[in-house]
Amino acid sequence: QSVLTQPPSASGTPGQRVTISCSGSSSNIGSNTVNWYQQLPGTAPKLLIYSNNQRPSGVPDRFSGSKSGTSASLAISGLQSEDEADYYCAAWDDSLMVGVFGGGTKLTVL
Amino acid sequence: QITLKESGPTLVKPTQTLTLTCTFSGFSLSTSGVGVGWIRQPPGKALEWLALIYWNDDKRYSPSLKSRLTITKDTSKNQVVLTMTKMDPVDTATYYCAHSTPYCSGGSCYPYLGWFDPWGQGTLVTVSS
Repeated sequence: QSVLTQPPSASGTPGQRVTISCSGSSSNIGSNTVNWYQQLPGTAPKLLIYSNNQRPSGVPDRFSGSKSGTSASLAISGLQSEDEADYYCAAWDDSLMVGVFGGGTKLTVL
Repeated sequence: QITLKESGPTLVKPTQTLTLTCTFSGFSLSTSGVGVGWIRQPPGKALEWLALIYWNDDKRYSPSLKSRLTITKDTSKNQVVLTMTKMDPVDTATYYCAHSTPYCSGGSCYPYLGWFDPWGQGTLVTVSS
């Protein structure tokens, strides 16, 4: 049982916009920034979004992040087949005093 | 360019102690705010945050595994070592190490609010007799 809650799956067709939610609590998302990671099949995770809504260099602007209260969201617009991957949210938890991950969302491009 | 690589045994027996080494380049673990973390992923399952060591030797451990984990650093060798005692088949997973960048804002930096980037390629550890 992950501290942060994500839907196990999401899907969309090429060109569509999809969003992935990440729900937490006042001790993590509610008081700290959220990061998102993309894990393509058979590879190590890669940083996708940091500090709620910042994109590292090289990440297309089709990817965007937002946070409101104790929830965060990752949006992918103009969905492409290469976006098919697992997506994880993460945040620091002030009560546990450690980082925590969501359970991951498997994105399928139909 | 920052790179990290995990090394260690691919197979350990139940009850044994696992020792993994993360060898990195492109940064110094004596730089303020910087850290190196360990994350694992059982086959087909989610990522699990294990431990993180910061430039000032501050160490953080997953509460559920704290009694079994030890993280240390050797700044001169650019290495971070994770040991996990009492290995069990449920500990079978790919173990990743990653560089932690601090979150900085308004002239202050907050290492705990950082993010992992980049990650090592990971090493699969199987626990079986």
